[in-house]
Amino acid sequence: LAKTTQPISMDSYEGQEVNITCSHNNIATNDYITWYQQFPSQGPRFIIQGYKTKVTNEVASLFIPADRKSSTLSLPRVSLSDTAVYYCLVGPTGGFKTIFGAGTRLFVKA
Amino acid sequence: DARVTQTPRHKVTEMGQEVTMRCQPILGHNTVFWYRQTMMQGLELLAYFRNRAPLDDSGMPKDRFSAEMPDATLATLKIQPSEPRDSAVYFCASGLVFGAGGVVNEQFFGPGTRLTVL
Repeated sequence: LAKTTQPISMDSYEGQEVNITCSHNNIATNDYITWYQQFPSQGPRFIIQGYKTKVTNEVASLFIPADRKSSTLSLPRVSLSDTAVYYCLVGPTGGFKTIFGAGTRLFVKA
Repeated sequence: DARVTQTPRHKVTEMGQEVTMRCQPILGHNTVFWYRQTMMQGLELLAYFRNRAPLDDSGMPKDRFSAEMPDATLATLKIQPSEPRDSAVYFCASGLVFGAGGVVNEQFFGPGTRLTVL
């Protein structure tokens, strides 16, 4: 399984765009990249998943370069409620061997 | 609004006691995951079921933990005997996979069971 590396923490201000980068140098051909968000005292919540190039939904965008050795989660115009831990996961087709790393603790300030 | 439910939400027990945690996956989902979360270890995958069959439980201490799916609407995680080091939040998640090699696009997590073993 590909190991992921993310920054431990990030700070931002309301209204800013936040980009969280995840490194996964050993990503395999059939691996997908998935991001989850976790608030205190809650289970993680799926944000976005992609395989290559760019994926966008109503919450975030995911940018994946051609070599797929990294990915960037982009949160547009964050608010205080986006303060959470964000996990980057890389997993094979079937996705059951899910490994959540330490995640990135994002703190949004007013 | 379909959700994964878990019971109990909180459990305090004494060392040596049996603990049973229950999970009701979202109706129609064919995959169930059990995770444990602690400050030190983060989120750890304990077991994974597809169509009620256990596919992977390598993350689970075999001597005291057991996971089952008696039916499609119920997954259980048992600890017997419990130890203080088992204190953690236990999450259940469910998802939907299409085909033998399908990707679990999204796991839906329950609210967790906070277990304290004294």
